[in-house]
Amino acid sequence: GEDVEQSLFLSVREGDSSVINCTYTDSSSTYLYWYKQEPGAGLQLLTYIFSNMDMKQDQRLTVLLNKKDKHLSLRIADTQTGDSAIYFCAETPNTGGFKTIFGAGTRLFVKA
Amino acid sequence: SQTIHQWPATLVQPVGSPLSLECTVEGTSNPNLYWYRQAAGRGLQLLFYSVGIGQISSEVPQNLSASRPQDRQFILSSKKLLLSDSGFYLCAWSPGVEVSKTQYFGPGTRLLVL
Repeated sequence: GEDVEQSLFLSVREGDSSVINCTYTDSSSTYLYWYKQEPGAGLQLLTYIFSNMDMKQDQRLTVLLNKKDKHLSLRIADTQTGDSAIYFCAETPNTGGFKTIFGAGTRLFVKA
Repeated sequence: SQTIHQWPATLVQPVGSPLSLECTVEGTSNPNLYWYRQAAGRGLQLLFYSVGIGQISSEVPQNLSASRPQDRQFILSSKKLLLSDSGFYLCAWSPGVEVSKTQYFGPGTRLLVL
């Protein structure tokens, strides 16, 4: 079946790098996403990666995809207090449908 | 540019009362529309999605229903709310023809059933 798993919490110091990990089960997934949710708000798309890519970098964000292990990671360089939020990993299975499967979210705490 | 609206932002309702949450999208045509529920401290649960007017797919059996009376309007309803219906309800849309299927979320409605 389709499933996306993430650790629930991560705590880092301001200025350090954060690495949020995710595993997924559907090897046919074509797109994998990272969304950010700030308190009391909806989800905001941070970045996505196509399944034929291994890495994508966008300013402080680096996404790594290991298709063999079905592992996706999000690295945030120079983490700031404003990065404190819940980060959701998600996949779109290549079944021709319109559903996106979301993980439970990783709550990132940034200590000043 | 496209925008998505949800209202109300916050709602407190007694058990057994009806519910109607509205979501509208501007700046796009024929979007795919979604309703999610997020319980406190938990992930997203897909409730309904729609690929066109009058076309609703239900993901989880429950006392909620959804309707899409217009292309860019998605409504979540209940005839009688339960305590377990409390949560944060998120509406989202994705472009109907975009391959990446990226979803764009509204600001959410926080529902508390007492």
